[in-house]
Amino acid sequence: QKEVEQDPGPLSVPEGAIVSLNCTYSNSAFQYFMWYRQYSRKGPELLMYTYSSGNKEDGRFTAQVDKSSKYISLFIRDSQPSDSATYLCAMSVYSSASKIIFGSGTRLSIRP
Amino acid sequence: NAGVTQTPKFRVLKTGQSMTLLCAQDMNHEYMYWYRQDPGMGLRLIHYSVGEGTTAKGEVPDGYNVSRLKKQNFLLGLESAAPSQTSVYFCASRLTSGYYEQYFGPGTRLTVT
Repeated sequence: QKEVEQDPGPLSVPEGAIVSLNCTYSNSAFQYFMWYRQYSRKGPELLMYTYSSGNKEDGRFTAQVDKSSKYISLFIRDSQPSDSATYLCAMSVYSSASKIIFGSGTRLSIRP
Repeated sequence: NAGVTQTPKFRVLKTGQSMTLLCAQDMNHEYMYWYRQDPGMGLRLIHYSVGEGTTAKGEVPDGYNVSRLKKQNFLLGLESAAPSQTSVYFCASRLTSGYYEQYFGPGTRLTVT
């Protein structure tokens, strides 16, 4: 079983829709929960991160962490064609020696 | 500030040939990583380094070697390329305290025929 599981999609929604992306994980030691965005033929870039449980909002993006269920989500409101990309969830523990564990990514397409 | 750069951007090798991929960062980061990304497999860690002169194996190290002679550079070598090493290779770096943020390069697309 992988430490981090993510539905690969692809997911296609019309412009303006609310998008929900999700990941599950098995390691209860994870404390940092991140979402990276990767445009086609580019390297991933950090979009948002959350420490421990709870919600975090940044503009049209909201990240949620439910540690009791080992489940994290990213919501995109008023989705735009420019949001079309692959979204990778990622997790790590609070340690300088830790490695970031990435999900396999969900490919998202926003139709104009 | 160029961030993380990778050389070359594209390469085609024949089976058995060797090559070296170069990663350079100008952010004074201690930690550097080499990943490969394949469809449906996500990012898989090949090797990493926690400082100049140090290297360690990741999840899929077989067939690859690395060196970190200078803090700003991290080299990935393929001694005898195989078609299974066809992939997109990403280098990343982070601060020692960067528990959640890695900075990625633009990637190298390698095809082994």
